[in-house]
Amino acid sequence: AQSVTQLDSHVSVSEGTPVLLRCNYSSSYSPSLFWYVQHPNKGLQLLLKYTSAATLVKGINGFEAEFKKSETSFHLTKPSAHMSDAAEYFCVVRPNTDKLIFGTGTRLQVFP
Amino acid sequence: ETGVTQTPRHLVMGMTNKKSLKCEQHLGHNAMYWYKQSAKKPLELMFVYSLEERVENNSVPSRFSPECPNSSHLFLHLHTLQPEDSALYLCASSQGGGSTEAFFGQGTRLTVV
Repeated sequence: AQSVTQLDSHVSVSEGTPVLLRCNYSSSYSPSLFWYVQHPNKGLQLLLKYTSAATLVKGINGFEAEFKKSETSFHLTKPSAHMSDAAEYFCVVRPNTDKLIFGTGTRLQVFP
Repeated sequence: ETGVTQTPRHLVMGMTNKKSLKCEQHLGHNAMYWYKQSAKKPLELMFVYSLEERVENNSVPSRFSPECPNSSHLFLHLHTLQPEDSALYLCASSQGGGSTEAFFGQGTRLTVV
């Protein structure tokens, strides 16, 4: 069965410090993996995606994620947090179907 | 703008009303989705349409009735809803296949009174 686990429901960082949002997946196939961001009262915006090319994926707004098959992980990172990064982040796995499987989300707070 | 437009953005309806949510995409995608996002709950997939055929219905109550008249439009017809159906309803579209991302609309914030 395919699933995705976001290990932290809340992450708090100070502005200018690194961000790490953790995601582990389970998939019988070689999956596609995505990170989406949702700002309050908005829809979901794609940050980045992994589709079996380079294992280090760069996305928008300075975010990147590394696919580690041996650890079944796809953690999202950013070297320096900005106040505008405060939002909910979703890790998503797409097995080889039309179905997207969402994690439960991680709320990122950024303090001045 | 993601290319997926949902209307209305906000909707308040009584439990005896009938209303419809609309989703439109002009991205040339062949798959469309309805998701429900409730406070403090994971995103719930409700329906999936691929090539205008419903391919997934995740045990959604019959008071929610989807319709996909063509590949660009998706509706969610609502009738006799309950207060617990209040949520953000998100529409998404994608190009079928395993590697492509989904594009989401802004959502309709539904309140059932």
